Amino acid sequence: DAKTTQPNSMESNEEEPVHLPCNHSTISGTDYIHWYRQLPSQGPEYVIHGLTSNVNNRMASLAIAEDRKSSTLILHRATLRDAAVYYCILRYLIQGAQKLVFGQGTRLTINP
Amino acid sequence: DTGVSQDPRHKITKRGQNVTFRCDPISEHNRLYWYRQTLGQGPEFLTYFQNEAQLEKSRLLSDRFSAERPKGSFSTLEIQRTEQGDSAMYLCASSRRLAGNNEQFFGPGTRLTVL
Repeated sequence: DAKTTQPNSMESNEEEPVHLPCNHSTISGTDYIHWYRQLPSQGPEYVIHGLTSNVNNRMASLAIAEDRKSSTLILHRATLRDAAVYYCILRYLIQGAQKLVFGQGTRLTINP
Repeated sequence: DTGVSQDPRHKITKRGQNVTFRCDPISEHNRLYWYRQTLGQGPEFLTYFQNEAQLEKSRLLSDRFSAERPKGSFSTLEIQRTEQGDSAMYLCASSRRLAGNNEQFFGPGTRLTVL
């Protein structure tokens, strides 16, 4: 399974932007990059995904390097509710469906 | 849409006992996944169903583990002869067939403690 590398932890202040990096140097041409996050005592929730182009949605933006070997999740204005573990995942297909291979993720702390 | 539900939320058992967990996916989601998460680690894939067919099993799923989805709706995960190493959070997720993104929706998990 293709692997991703993320910092173990990051810290930011409320209402400031947060850039969460992810390295995936062994990514293949058909792998999508997905981000999920897990709030305390909850199951993971989908944040965003992309293949080659940068993507935006209501939760975040995803910036993908031109060689696709790295990506950055951007939270434009962090709130206390964004404190969570963020997982960068390469979509791995089994018979047409996703198998998510999680790493250890980045634990994001937001200071008030 | 009530989301993915799991039952029970917590289970404490003694080593050697059998336990069974239930997952109810979002209605109309034909794909269902089980993951296991130990403290401080990300979830690990266990198995996957498309409708009632179990299409993939991880090597993590030893002979003591069995999962079913008999009518293509809810699923059960049974662990026989539990061991202390089975203590973990067991997560269920579901998704539907869509072009492009197959976002998985996760339930709250069942936390198993084996004494």
